[in-house]
Amino acid sequence: AQSVTQPDIHITVSEGASLELRCNYSYGATPYLFWYVQSPGQGLQLLLKYFSGDTLVQGIKGFEAEFKRSQSSFNLRKPSVHWSDAAEYFCAVALDRGSTLGRLYFGRGTQLTVWP
Amino acid sequence: ETGVTQTPRHLVMGMTNKKSLKCEQHLGHNAMYWYKQSAKKPLELMFVYNFKEQTENNSVPSRFSPECPNSSHLFLHLHTLQPEDSALYLCASSQGTGPNEQFFGPGTRLTVL
Repeated sequence: AQSVTQPDIHITVSEGASLELRCNYSYGATPYLFWYVQSPGQGLQLLLKYFSGDTLVQGIKGFEAEFKRSQSSFNLRKPSVHWSDAAEYFCAVALDRGSTLGRLYFGRGTQLTVWP
Repeated sequence: ETGVTQTPRHLVMGMTNKKSLKCEQHLGHNAMYWYKQSAKKPLELMFVYNFKEQTENNSVPSRFSPECPNSSHLFLHLHTLQPEDSALYLCASSQGTGPNEQFFGPGTRLTVL
């Protein structure tokens, strides 16, 4: 079965520090990969996505993510975190074939706290 | 209005009440989704509609009844809910049900007493 793992439930960083949020997936082929962010009381907003091509993708708010096929990973990074980045981050995958075509599989999320 | 809107934003109901959640998308999409987000659990896909037709029911109890009168509107009718149904209910839409980006509404925070 397909699965998405976000190993870190909660991460705390200081403002201005770099950030990396981990995401691993389980799927035999290359999935479609997404990172979403959810602020308190809000829905999910897409940060970036990977479908094919360049494995380093740029997103909104200064975020980027790198797809590494050999590691089945799609880690999210930001060189300098701002206090407004405090939120919950979700990695998601969608498959390109089969009966579950298009269905998004979400990780459990990583809660990011930013210290001033 | 732009994007995906949901009403109400907050709802408190007793176990014997009947209420409905509404979702509207202004993006011209043809697929719509209901998700349940509970504390400490991954997002759970509940229902998928494509061109008004239900294409997926993820073993959701019958006390949740979806309705999709057209590609822009999606409802979730609630009756005889249980306290464990308290959660954030998120609506999303996408262009087709392929591996496309889904756009989410702000959610309805439901509390069942």
